[in-house]
Amino acid sequence: DSGVTQTPKHLITATGQRVTLRCSPRSGDLSVYWYQQSLDQGLQFLIQYYNGEERAKGNILERFSAQQFPDLHSELNLSSLELGDSALYFCASSTTVTDTQYFGPGTRLTVL
Amino acid sequence: AQSVSQHNHHVILSEAASLELGCNYSYGGTVNLFWYVQYPGQHLQLLLKYFSGDPLVKGIKGFEAEFIKSKFSFNLRKPSVQWSDTAEYFCAVRPIGSSNTGKLIFGQGTTLQVKP
Repeated sequence: DSGVTQTPKHLITATGQRVTLRCSPRSGDLSVYWYQQSLDQGLQFLIQYYNGEERAKGNILERFSAQQFPDLHSELNLSSLELGDSALYFCASSTTVTDTQYFGPGTRLTVL
Repeated sequence: AQSVSQHNHHVILSEAASLELGCNYSYGGTVNLFWYVQYPGQHLQLLLKYFSGDPLVKGIKGFEAEFIKSKFSFNLRKPSVQWSDTAEYFCAVRPIGSSNTGKLIFGQGTTLQVKP
């Protein structure tokens, strides 16, 4: 157990819908990261937050957005969902901006 | 573009065989390097990391990796694998540049199957 928690574990929804994935970092970690793992793209970095501020952006679609709240938990919002958005979404956290990242168990999103 | 390449997509070994998984990256500057393992149905776990210093790093469960800067490589090794090492292995690189971020670039992963 890495100490990073993610909810829900599984999510099944339809095309065009909107979902919110939640992540709680390890105690004391200020930085949160989101990654997408799919069969065709592999593990892709989406976005990083540090102490509530966006720190880095990767291949994140405009339909996706994220935020980190004052209690340091983070949410990833996915809207206008498409079949191709079906993937495992991992959250990771680290103490500082560049320290070792510890990963959560992931949320498996299935878009039908 | 920065990228990470893992040479083997699927490796099958018998127990007690030696393991070497290749990882090369494309980035001319300083990097931090990582190997993560994902056991079936579980999350990514850190096996080992290299930030600086001795290029031969030891990790958990008997794994080690060697950073060869001239070859842009960070290969993972284990002298004798066990059935419990069956998992997917990911090499990751964090380029250290002017924008100080934690962004990791992952390889495509190598599935290791160890036969008892």
